[in-house]
Amino acid sequence: KAGVTQTPRYLIKTRGQQVTLSCSPISGHRSVSWYQQTPGQGLQFLFEYFSETQRNKGNFPGRFSGRQFSNSRSEMNVSTLELGDSALYLCASSPEGVLEQYFGPGTRLTVT
Amino acid sequence: AQSVAQPEDQVNVAEGNPLTVKCTYSVSGNPYLFWYVQYPNRGLQFLLKYITGDNLVKGSYGFEAEFNKSQTSFHLKKPSALVSDSALYFCAVRGPGGSYIPTFGRGTSLIVHP
Repeated sequence: KAGVTQTPRYLIKTRGQQVTLSCSPISGHRSVSWYQQTPGQGLQFLFEYFSETQRNKGNFPGRFSGRQFSNSRSEMNVSTLELGDSALYLCASSPEGVLEQYFGPGTRLTVT
Repeated sequence: AQSVAQPEDQVNVAEGNPLTVKCTYSVSGNPYLFWYVQYPNRGLQFLLKYITGDNLVKGSYGFEAEFNKSQTSFHLKKPSALVSDSALYFCAVRGPGGSYIPTFGRGTSLIVHP
């Protein structure tokens, strides 16, 4: 099976812009989660989607949003970008009933 | 609230020697514990998990971890380190019943010297 794919892999944006990141989970995986990884904060949970519904949400401002489509693909959007949003954004998927997660390679977002 | 501590930012070991990467946790009830590895420019890769049962859990690439309830620890071990094991290792915990949001440690950089 193909692994979790994320596009784009690298992105440079300007403060105040918005950005959309995409994630395609492993085939058959219905749960998709998003994380922000930074050297200072480590891995921070953003949100989880299951069958197109947001099931859990981390402690991030409303500028961070996401959605999941009927084919389980997911997107996350960050509006009004700030310099502090520069990070590696990781997507992870898992099949129902499985607790470990399978991560994509991430999207490296740089905000200038 | 649940938490994970990885007390060492970096662990150095010579190739062929045993390695240990430490993890302690805090959670209400029985924990679900995980180890992941991250290679440069890659996402995290699942190594092993403890849910219940035998305290010694075996995982991928010869890694194993020992669950110690009294010390609330879940240290990652390997009998003989390889240079290719050099990477960033993350411990994670989920609460009873696998309550969803996992908490990750800050990560430990393992450097295996030839």
